[in-house]
Amino acid sequence: DAGVIQSPRHEVTEMGQEVTLRCKPISGHDYLFWYRQTMMRGLELLIYFNNNVPIDDSGMPEDRFSAKMPNASFSTLKIQPSEPRDSAVYFCASRRTPVGPQETQYFGPGTRLLVL
Amino acid sequence: AQSVTQLGSHVSVSEGALVLLRCNYSSSVPPYLFWYVQYPNQGLQLLLKYTTGATLVKGINGFEAEFKKSETSFHLTKPSAHMSDAAEYFCAVSTNVGNEKLTFGTGTRLTIIP
Repeated sequence: DAGVIQSPRHEVTEMGQEVTLRCKPISGHDYLFWYRQTMMRGLELLIYFNNNVPIDDSGMPEDRFSAKMPNASFSTLKIQPSEPRDSAVYFCASRRTPVGPQETQYFGPGTRLLVL
Repeated sequence: AQSVTQLGSHVSVSEGALVLLRCNYSSSVPPYLFWYVQYPNQGLQLLLKYTTGATLVKGINGFEAEFKKSETSFHLTKPSAHMSDAAEYFCAVSTNVGNEKLTFGTGTRLTIIP
């Protein structure tokens, strides 16, 4: 299996521009998670989906952030308009519905976003 | 609510020495506990996890961790450090099968001294 795939790996943009991050989960995984990692706040869960439906978006920082999962093999995280404080590494992770206690989340390599 | 505290944002050990990374958790219900490792410019990889049963958990790359309920701890150890162990390590907690959220600690950067 190719693992969780994220694109782009690096993104540099200017303040005010729209940014779209993409994620392809592992085939057969029905949970998808978006995380943000910064030096100041560590690793934070932004939103997660189950069977393409958003379940908990309480971690989304503000309305400038939106996430979609149009099908089981693709998700996007969009920032519009972007701000310098959005600079971070954004991770996507996926996992299966647990058969027993807790299935492992598998992380993608991340997208390093820099907003100038 | 659940939380994780990792003591020591940076730890340095000599090659061949014992590695000890500390993690304490707070949870109002029995926790599920995890250690993840992050190598430079990569995503997180699961090292090991405790869900139920044996409190001493063995993971990949020779790491192990022991769940101590009385101390609310889940410290990560490895008897002999290797240069390839240099990375950032994250402890995480969740509480039950219905709770899909992992709460992560702030991470510990492990440096191996040749």
